[in-house]
Amino acid sequence: GENVEQHPSTLSVQEGDSAVIKCTYSDSASNYFPWYKQELGKRPQLIIDIRSNVGEKKDQRIAVTLNKTAKHFSLHITETQPEDSAVYFCAASRTGGGADGLTFGKGTHLIIQP
Amino acid sequence: GAGVSQSPSNKVTEKGKDVELRCDPISGHTALYWYRQSLGQGLEFLIYFQGNSAPDKSGLPSDRFSAERTGGSVSTLTIQRTQQEDSAVYLCASSLQGQGFPTEAFFGQGTRLTVV
Repeated sequence: GENVEQHPSTLSVQEGDSAVIKCTYSDSASNYFPWYKQELGKRPQLIIDIRSNVGEKKDQRIAVTLNKTAKHFSLHITETQPEDSAVYFCAASRTGGGADGLTFGKGTHLIIQP
Repeated sequence: GAGVSQSPSNKVTEKGKDVELRCDPISGHTALYWYRQSLGQGLEFLIYFQGNSAPDKSGLPSDRFSAERTGGSVSTLTIQRTQQEDSAVYLCASSLQGQGFPTEAFFGQGTRLTVV
């Protein structure tokens, strides 16, 4: 089955600086890569996703890049703000038959220092 | 409702008792996932249902855990003879799956299980 590795486990950045979280996946058939944000005591919520037919996607201060050859993808947050503090999870998934569903990385605790 | 609904939101049970956790996915979503999240930890995959296919049970930690999904909609996760290490938040998610790319998975608010 799919295996997703996520780094770092904790990331502390100064407010206004950029943050980058990296993930690798093992199944070359994976074709969908979402990122979820989980604030303390709340459910995970999708913030951005990318499909394997594109290499980069941007939404305001958030961007995701995908390198299919290397099987890794990254989340970039620019001009970080206090409300960006949360745990971020990457995930990989694929369609079609078979049992694999949505496999998550172990999460990155992002801390924005004022 | 419009979102994924889980019940109960909190459950305290005595060690050795059985518990049932319920998930109502978004109407029309064919994929349903169960995850377990211990305090401050990641999302541990438990089981995945996709349409009428056989579920992927590879994440279930022991034979005390089982799940079913009736009529392709509501799912129940059952834990038999609960142990203290079963204490966690159990999250359910659903999404549209089918031809082409998968789509966003929406999470329920979770059931916080405490085994005393």
